[in-house]
Amino acid sequence: EAQVTQNPRYLITVTGKKLTVTCSQNMNHEYMSWYRQDPGLGLRQIYYSMNVEVTDKGDVPEGYKVSRKEKRNFPLILESPSPNQTSLYFCASLRWGGTFGSGTRLTVV
Amino acid sequence: GENVEQHPSTLSVQEGDSAVIKCTYSDSASNYFPWYKQELGKRPQLIIDIRSNVGEKKDQRIAVTLNKTAKHFSLHITETQPEDSAVYFCAASGLAGYDMRFGAGTRLTVKP
Repeated sequence: EAQVTQNPRYLITVTGKKLTVTCSQNMNHEYMSWYRQDPGLGLRQIYYSMNVEVTDKGDVPEGYKVSRKEKRNFPLILESPSPNQTSLYFCASLRWGGTFGSGTRLTVV
Repeated sequence: GENVEQHPSTLSVQEGDSAVIKCTYSDSASNYFPWYKQELGKRPQLIIDIRSNVGEKKDQRIAVTLNKTAKHFSLHITETQPEDSAVYFCAASGLAGYDMRFGAGTRLTVKP
């Protein structure tokens, strides 16, 4: 079954404490992306990756980092989280519509 | 870059009525237009998509139309049922879904 596996599902952290949200896909897709979802704003792209070692900024990249060392994994890194990064995050592999991960609800206090 | 606008933001219909959600996009190079349904607390899921060489596509009670000249596309749901209640997102991208941009979403409520 085509899957995008994202962890953790829920995370509460404090301002400034580095965190990583993991994402893994089993579809052998080159293209992966990260979105954040906020009420009234839809899904906004944070970063995307066209292939291993190829990443680029989306519309809201400030405060985030990503890496793509291997095709299946695309972690999202918040080096110093702030309260305005409290959101629902989705990893996705959207080739021809594709698949979203199950989401990570992040709260930064 | 691409900008996708979606209307209305909320839509309430009676069970059995039709629902229509409209989207416009800005980048004439976009050629792939999927629609997603997101139920409460779940991930968005692809329900139907259309490519730029097609004007209309149907799947049972759901249909999507595309007008490339006017840069707009629409989702039509007929004979709505309470389980159609969800948030619906339109999106636009280049070939194969690269660099996909989403509309802000429409919350559809189907009243029994």
